[in-house]
Amino acid sequence: GENVEQHPSTLSVQEGDSAVIKCTYSDSASNYFPWYKQELGKRPQLIIDIRSNVGEKKDQRIAVTLNKTAKHFSLHITETQPEDSAVYFCAASGDTGFQKLVFGTGTRLLVSP
Amino acid sequence: DAGVIQSPRHEVTEMGQEVTLRCKPISGHNSLFWYRQTMMRGLELLIYFNNNVPIDDSGMPEDRFSAKMPNASFSTLKIQPSEPRDSAVYFCASSFPGQGGQPQHFGDGTRLSIL
Repeated sequence: GENVEQHPSTLSVQEGDSAVIKCTYSDSASNYFPWYKQELGKRPQLIIDIRSNVGEKKDQRIAVTLNKTAKHFSLHITETQPEDSAVYFCAASGDTGFQKLVFGTGTRLLVSP
Repeated sequence: DAGVIQSPRHEVTEMGQEVTLRCKPISGHNSLFWYRQTMMRGLELLIYFNNNVPIDDSGMPEDRFSAKMPNASFSTLKIQPSEPRDSAVYFCASSFPGQGGQPQHFGDGTRLSIL
């Protein structure tokens, strides 16, 4: 089955810096890669996603890139703000027939003012 | 636009008691997922349903855990008997049918504490 690895587990940046979180997946058949943000005590919320027919997608300060050949995808956050502090999870579709997602272990991002 | 609705939001009970968590998926979504989240183990998929049918329950930790989905708008996760190590946040998520992968929409979770 699908396996998703996520790095780093924690990331500390200064406000205004960029942050990059990387994930690798094992199943070459996976074709959907969402990213979730989870603030303390809250539910995971979808912030951006990408499909395998696209190499890059942007939404204001966040972007995701996908390298199908290498089987890795990354989340990029530019001009970080304290409110970006949260745990970020990547995921890959491990079973597209039933919309199952395999999640990474999460990255705790801390943005210091 | 109602999202995934879970109840109760918090549950505190004594070891050995039966616990029932409830979930109402988003209308029109045909896949439903139950997750457990702890600091130690992260986000774990327990079981998921498609069109009310359980597809994979390999993540259910023990026979003490059971889940049902009697119709498209309701699912339950039951723990009987409960143990302190079951303390966690339990999330329900639902997903819309479609080609390729689809995002899962999470409920606000049930924070369960077993004393």
